[in-house]
Amino acid sequence: GAVVSQHPSWVICKSGTSVKIECRSLDFQATTMFWYRQFPKQSLMLMATSNEGSKATYEQGVEKDKFLINHASLTLSTLTVTSAHPEDSSFYICSAASGTRLGNEQFFGPGTRLTVL
Amino acid sequence: RKEVEQDPGPFNVPEGATVAFNCTYSNSASQSFFWYRQDCRKEPKLLMSVYSSGNEDGRFTAQLNRASQYISLLIRDSKLSDSATYLCVVTRSGGYNKLIFGAGTRLAVHP
Repeated sequence: GAVVSQHPSWVICKSGTSVKIECRSLDFQATTMFWYRQFPKQSLMLMATSNEGSKATYEQGVEKDKFLINHASLTLSTLTVTSAHPEDSSFYICSAASGTRLGNEQFFGPGTRLTVL
Repeated sequence: RKEVEQDPGPFNVPEGATVAFNCTYSNSASQSFFWYRQDCRKEPKLLMSVYSSGNEDGRFTAQLNRASQYISLLIRDSKLSDSATYLCVVTRSGGYNKLIFGAGTRLAVHP
């Protein structure tokens, strides 16, 4: 149990386009989902925390208008990178937490590798 | 200064060796501590939680020293399959258990 999927697993896009990444909890209800970004040889950096049905809480330095997060259901959260630029190229990873049956452990998706040309 | 600091390595060790990783954290209010393992181009996977009393899981032993704000991971009898990046992780106080990751220490086990 506690499986999290992400789609797509990789995406290549042109500068200026928007990219949507989906994060799904497959076998549990995720009251909270987290979005991270990881640049090569660096640590995972938390971008935002989202709770189902409410606005996401963004970490300092993360532009909420550029990284749109929607957590419309207990099994799905989406991250949209708007007007992507080459500096947005990174590995984006989501995690999901149930907070109840599964405790506070975060279960990670397999990640989405974004390359902006 | 980074909130979680690790030696980036790489640590190149032969099979069967014992290897130790260290980690320091700067926020004395950090609440929970973990070691994660991350394979190349993959998501991190929880290896073990870390407690002040120390805990062991097979060949892996983790230790926490709150006074020194220091966390360690010991791997005994290294296997080729242990090759990965090991991430030291702490949770920030307040909020919903926000995970703060170190940049990781790379381990390469060779035959």
